[in-house]
Amino acid sequence: QLQMQESGPGLVKPSETLSLTCTVSGGSISSSSYYWAWIRQPPGKGLEWIASINYGGSTYYNPSLKSRVTISVDTSENQFSLKLDSVTAADTAVYYCARPKQINRGGSFDIWGQGAMVTVSS
Amino acid sequence: EIVLTQSPATLSLSPGERATLSCRASQSISTYLAWYQQKPGQAPRLLIYDASNRATGIPVRFSGSGSGTDFTLTISSLEPDDFAVYYCQQRVSWPLTFGPGTKVDIK
Repeated sequence: QLQMQESGPGLVKPSETLSLTCTVSGGSISSSSYYWAWIRQPPGKGLEWIASINYGGSTYYNPSLKSRVTISVDTSENQFSLKLDSVTAADTAVYYCARPKQINRGGSFDIWGQGAMVTVSS
Repeated sequence: EIVLTQSPATLSLSPGERATLSCRASQSISTYLAWYQQKPGQAPRLLIYDASNRATGIPVRFSGSGSGTDFTLTISSLEPDDFAVYYCQQRVSWPLTFGPGTKVDIK
């Protein structure tokens, strides 16, 4: 059974870079052309898709964050990662990694990590 | 970017009642719409994909319908476990977008 787990610092200072990694277990990140995703949720608010990547490195970004975001994949470690530059308090959120049900395009997310709370504060 | 709006923002119902949640897209998305349930402190759970297909393990009391710009999630008879926030999400084009959510609470 595929599982996903986010990891990274829970506290980031303003203007610094937020870095998170999602480790996939119970299956290979390279097995099919899923677009693995990062999604975030500020406290008490709704869901926001950040970016997606497939095992070949093809990427899609949310235009509202594109200038600050980098998503990457490491197939040898069965992981994919998120970097968000120049963070502010508005980037405080629970960050989820997720896998869509469908391959080869944007999908509906049927497998989620438990979420990682990241607070931006000095 | 495709904007999704959900109504109502809050739905106050009693167990056993029928819940009808709406999601409207700013342009046609065919049937590329999903519904999620989220409870406090938990990740969202996929309920319905591609407008009307129940995800694995989802009870039959959850059903989805619609196409184009107007979609509905129906919970035929609310169970105590169903009181949560529900989000819709489109996958027809990038960027993927979510609706703002409908909270179903106990009347």
